[in-house]
Amino acid sequence: GQNIDQPTEMTATEGAIVQINCTYQTSGFNGLFWYQQHAGEAPTFLSYNVLDGLEEKGRFSSFLSRSKGYSYLLLKELQMKDSASYLCAGGTRSGNTPLVFGKGTRLSVIA
Amino acid sequence: GAVVSQHPSWVICKSGTSVKIECRSLDFQATTMFWYRQFPKQSLMLMATSNEGSKATYEQGVEKDKFLINHASLTLSTLTVTSAHPEDSSFYICSARDTRGAETQYFGPGTRLLVL
Repeated sequence: GQNIDQPTEMTATEGAIVQINCTYQTSGFNGLFWYQQHAGEAPTFLSYNVLDGLEEKGRFSSFLSRSKGYSYLLLKELQMKDSASYLCAGGTRSGNTPLVFGKGTRLSVIA
Repeated sequence: GAVVSQHPSWVICKSGTSVKIECRSLDFQATTMFWYRQFPKQSLMLMATSNEGSKATYEQGVEKDKFLINHASLTLSTLTVTSAHPEDSSFYICSARDTRGAETQYFGPGTRLLVL
């Protein structure tokens, strides 16, 4: 079956580092995606991992371990504007199938 | 990344009317597009998969006669909410996977529907 789990809410301090974890139990996923969604807006693409390891993109990094069914999104030097929901999603290598989304982690960045 | 547009961004209508929402892939062709609905502070809910040249595939619990989907071309899908009622008020978001490269799914900006 397809099941993606991530924490519901997290709070972190401005300037700090936060790690948002995502675990999945599924067969057929060949890539793990992370999206950011601000309140009232549509999700925007952040990162994609298809191989094990860490992908760094500015302040954001994403990690994948396929054998463990585990991914995380790392946000460094947190800013207030990073307060948003972060969605983990798994995908098969087929443009005809939608990604399977987790319920999202609502991150609150406080001063 | 690829761009998906949606129109309109806001709709306010009276109960009983029909509302059409357009979704366009601007710089890539999408034989498949996806329609989601999201209520405040809730998760994205996949409503249906829109297939160019054929019938849409609806998720369980989504009424196909109420939410009409037409995928007229490789860059356009429309969702029509027929005889809208207040409980249909929601945030409707379309998306498409760009099959070039990583096959990332890109979202339109969403359409906020308010039915009075």
